[in-house]
Amino acid sequence: DAKTTQPTSMDCAEGRAANLPCNHSTISGNEYVYWYRQIHSQGPQYIIHGLKNNETNEMASLIITEDRKSSTLILPHATLRDTAVYYCIVRGSNYKLTFGKGTLLTVNP
Amino acid sequence: DAGVIQSPRHEVTEMGQEVTLRCKPISGHNSLFWYRQTMMRGLELLIYFNNNVPIDDSGMPEDRFSAKMPNASFSTLKIQPSEPRDSAVYFCASSLGGGQPQHFGDGTRLSIL
Repeated sequence: DAKTTQPTSMDCAEGRAANLPCNHSTISGNEYVYWYRQIHSQGPQYIIHGLKNNETNEMASLIITEDRKSSTLILPHATLRDTAVYYCIVRGSNYKLTFGKGTLLTVNP
Repeated sequence: DAGVIQSPRHEVTEMGQEVTLRCKPISGHNSLFWYRQTMMRGLELLIYFNNNVPIDDSGMPEDRFSAKMPNASFSTLKIQPSEPRDSAVYFCASSLGGGQPQHFGDGTRLSIL
């Protein structure tokens, strides 16, 4: 599976949009981009995934560049409860999720 | 809907004791995963079951670790004998398979003294 690169940490003001970037320049054509988050003392929580089209659900939006070498997870109106470590994972057709270190997003009041 | 249920949430035991962690996957999910999370190594996949059959156990650290899935609604991860370096948070996850997202339980925080 392709490797991903994420910033170590980011800050966001409550109520503003949080934009979390991820680079995956070696992604293959059949590999999906998955996003999970882990709030302190909880298990990882699935957020969203996509192949090449932009995706939106009740939690977030996923924007994937046309060359698929990078993506951005958007939380449209961040709340204090969105403070967590966010993991960007590239996954092929197999079952494996390889978690990196992720981005610690801190939402400030 | 009930998510993945793990028990116990916390376990503290002495070195050399047997430890059994339990997991109830989401009903209807046919894939089950055990992960371990430590500060040093992050989240690591230990073993993957599909339709109750172990498919990939390459992440199991050593013979002291064993996992079973006797039916579609229950799995155990056993450590015998336990060692202090086994201290970690152990997560169970399940999915519908076929590349569908994995859904995680809240983990068991294990401390071996």
